[in-house]
Amino acid sequence: QVQLVESGGGEVQPGRSQRLSCTASGFSFSTHCIHWVRQAPGKGLEWVAFISQDGNIKYYADSVQGRFSISRDNSKNTAYLQVNRLRADDTAVYFCARELVAVAGDALDIWGQGTMVTVSS
Amino acid sequence: QSVLTQPPSVSGAPGQRVTISCTGSSSNIGTTYDVHWYQHLPGTAPKLLIYRTSDRPSGVPDRFSGSKSGTSASLAITGLQAEDEADYYCQSFDSSLRVYVFGTGTKVTVL
Repeated sequence: QVQLVESGGGEVQPGRSQRLSCTASGFSFSTHCIHWVRQAPGKGLEWVAFISQDGNIKYYADSVQGRFSISRDNSKNTAYLQVNRLRADDTAVYFCARELVAVAGDALDIWGQGTMVTVSS
Repeated sequence: QSVLTQPPSVSGAPGQRVTISCTGSSSNIGTTYDVHWYQHLPGTAPKLLIYRTSDRPSGVPDRFSGSKSGTSASLAITGLQAEDEADYYCQSFDSSLRVYVFGTGTKVTVL
């Protein structure tokens, strides 16, 4: 079964850090680019970060640039999102998603169920 | 960072046709980059509905169709059904900002 499973969410204090994981199964993980997308309570989907198949190319949304870091370990079929200096407006469900084909701007065809990050003192 | 604009809501009676617009610019939809559409129910994973402007993944009914013209794209739902009540998002790539972008989202209500 082709799937992505996120983990690592929870409640964290402002200014602290957390690492989210996205573990893949049922497909060749190393041949797909991976994205992180979030949805804050009552808000729409917001694209957060992208990483290429080999991890050499990374893009970030302006809202997280310099605070978040995306990485991957193809030997573990896992992608990560390191979230640092967390703020209240980072509170959201964080989804990881697979890009359909390694063509810039392609669709996200497989999504995880999401992991909730709550930033609160 | 929503550079793609959608109407907040659209509604229709069962069986009717509704369309959702997605307005971008010359650096995203107006380029050769494709537009994709997702259906999202609260508490679930978003679902890819239309990819590469007008293609449907396996299992998506042909009641859903997509198109693009200039710097705008559209999603049409014909034969509206109660199960189509959800939030819908367009998505593309912005070549100037070098970021992926989602639309502002549209809530579809079946009357």
